[in-house]
Amino acid sequence: SQQGEEDPQALSIQEGENATMNCSYKTSINNLQWYRQNSGRGLVHLILIRSNEREKHSGRLRVTLDTSKKSSSLLITASRAADTASYFCATDGTSGSRLTFGEGTQLTVNP
Amino acid sequence: GAGVSQSPRYKVAKRGQDVALRCDPISGHVSLFWYQQALGQGPEFLTYFQNEAQLDKSGLPSDRFFAERPEGSVSTLKIQRTQQEDSAVYLCASSLVSWVRSHYNEQFFGPGTRLTVL
Repeated sequence: SQQGEEDPQALSIQEGENATMNCSYKTSINNLQWYRQNSGRGLVHLILIRSNEREKHSGRLRVTLDTSKKSSSLLITASRAADTASYFCATDGTSGSRLTFGEGTQLTVNP
Repeated sequence: GAGVSQSPRYKVAKRGQDVALRCDPISGHVSLFWYQQALGQGPEFLTYFQNEAQLDKSGLPSDRFFAERPEGSVSTLKIQRTQQEDSAVYLCASSLVSWVRSHYNEQFFGPGTRLTVL
């Protein structure tokens, strides 16, 4: 079963707008990561946030982590049509190396 | 190329047929993972190798699924007597070193093999 759950399941915005996606998880984690997947392609690692961090930035990406609520958010600022993809959060737990993925948010950025 | 490669990219099998999916990890990567991704879902863990040792196979859905990495590099995921519910994208990922509790090594994913069982 999936540990993470993203919401919304689908998000459609205009180019230039910001996109926010949320992820919740159930068990204790070591790290939380966000991945992007373009249709028919593999997963591309975007950003990792450790369990003792609260916020992290990378370019147009901002990730927050609230371990008390077991939730994370991914903000993409000034979105571009090329950001159109599915976005997944993934956690690796305290007992092993496997990643546990959520079900993803399908982001569509309209030009 | 420098990335993880998988072959074939697409595979159509008749129900009951055996299939073998290949993964070539990034050269020198110690850890190798297989994930199964159903349509519209996130990937789900299948199994994990550290070099040639299969350290975790708890995600394999049935004994029809078998994975090997005999020389610690290329890996093969074999599915025997395929069923329609096996239809999915099978993703392979590798990472440079073994997992250490206090450290994370990024997993690099291949493009996947899309398996369709008729």
